[in-house]
Amino acid sequence: DSGVTQTPKHLITATGQRVTLRCSPRSGDLSVYWYQQSLDQGLQFLIQYYNGEERAKGNILERFSAQQFPDLHSELNLSSLELGDSALYFCASSVSAGTLRFGGYTFGSGTRLTVV
Amino acid sequence: DAKTTQPNSMESNEEEPVHLPCNHSTISGTDYIHWYRQLPSQGPEYVIHGLTSNVNNRMASLAIAEDRKSSTLILHRATLRDAAVYYCIPRTQGGSEKLVFGKGTKLTVNP
Repeated sequence: DSGVTQTPKHLITATGQRVTLRCSPRSGDLSVYWYQQSLDQGLQFLIQYYNGEERAKGNILERFSAQQFPDLHSELNLSSLELGDSALYFCASSVSAGTLRFGGYTFGSGTRLTVV
Repeated sequence: DAKTTQPNSMESNEEEPVHLPCNHSTISGTDYIHWYRQLPSQGPEYVIHGLTSNVNNRMASLAIAEDRKSSTLILHRATLRDAAVYYCIPRTQGGSEKLVFGKGTKLTVNP
């Protein structure tokens, strides 16, 4: 157990639907990062939140959105789903790299999304 | 983001040392070099990171060239559990601190 919890582990849904993926970061970590991994694209950075605020955006589609709540858990919302959205979605967390506690980024085990 | 070049794949035998190279010639002076690995069907796992001098931890050693344009991850005795895709990632200190993954090196460990 890495300390980063992602739910659900698997999700199967139909095209056009909306889903929410949840991530609980490791205790004490303020940053949460979302990544998408598909077979042909590798690991793609989507978005980062730091202590509730959006910090950086990557290749995130407009149909996707995320937020980080006061208890620091984060949710990734995917809407109007298409077949091509089928992928593994990973969440990672970290403390700020400037702190003595920094020991790298901790990833969860991912949510496998299948759009049919 | 600095670009990296890693071999697509490498093979090793169990209990032998493995040297995984990475070229990052466009790295800036403040970029840390991170290494992560991803075992099959799992999320990426932190291995090691460093800035200028060589680093050791329980998992591996990181040798950084003096000009910082390349680095080598060293697994001292490969085990079957070390079979994974290894990613070398220069990461800019400050700012968003996000990790940008390349294609990595797929390491196969033969029994």
